[in-house]
Amino acid sequence: AQKVTQAQTEISVVEKEDVTLDCVYETRDTTYYLFWYKQPPSGELVFLIRRNSFDEQNEISGRYSWNFQKSTSSFNFTITASQVVDSAVYFCALTITGGFKTIFGAGTRLFVKA
Amino acid sequence: DADVTQTPRNRITKTGKRIMLECSQTKGHDRMYWYRQDPGLGLRLIYYSFDVKDINKGEISDGYSVSRQAQAKFSLSLESAIPNQTALYFCATSDTRDRGYEQYFGPGTRLTVT
Repeated sequence: AQKVTQAQTEISVVEKEDVTLDCVYETRDTTYYLFWYKQPPSGELVFLIRRNSFDEQNEISGRYSWNFQKSTSSFNFTITASQVVDSAVYFCALTITGGFKTIFGAGTRLFVKA
Repeated sequence: DADVTQTPRNRITKTGKRIMLECSQTKGHDRMYWYRQDPGLGLRLIYYSFDVKDINKGEISDGYSVSRQAQAKFSLSLESAIPNQTALYFCATSDTRDRGYEQYFGPGTRLTVT
């Protein structure tokens, strides 16, 4: 069975702090995709990144970076120098081969205080 | 204009009423999905459709039905609404040709059943 665990329910930081959102997944499939989505207070879901199981290269996009480690089944997301606009709920998700099923984590609510 | 639209955006209805939520997309994607979001539970899949003639139940389909009227339209019905169906509902699309199975979400419909 597939499962995505985001153990941090809520995180609160002060602006300019770095923050890491944890994501641990479970699957027996050898080919799968991992995603992060952002849900700002306005409610829409915004795609942030996709990673396939064969690509463990870390990725950096501006203040955002992602660390994918198959050995620990983790796909963590770090925001550097956080800003108030980063306040949102962040979801990690897992899609297995064929895209037949996407499992979402419960989400981590990030509060960034000015 | 948004690529994935949902109507209505907000709806309050009474127990026992029939209600339909509609989703339209202009992305030309073949796959469409309905999810519900509840606090602390992330997104859970209700139904998904990989083409007009292909409809599949997700993990929480009881109490819901769907119709894929065209490739671009996918509606979700609650035949007899009950209070525990109060939630935020999202429609999403993806493209079989996109091997990453990235999903694009509509803005959501907030449904309250009293």
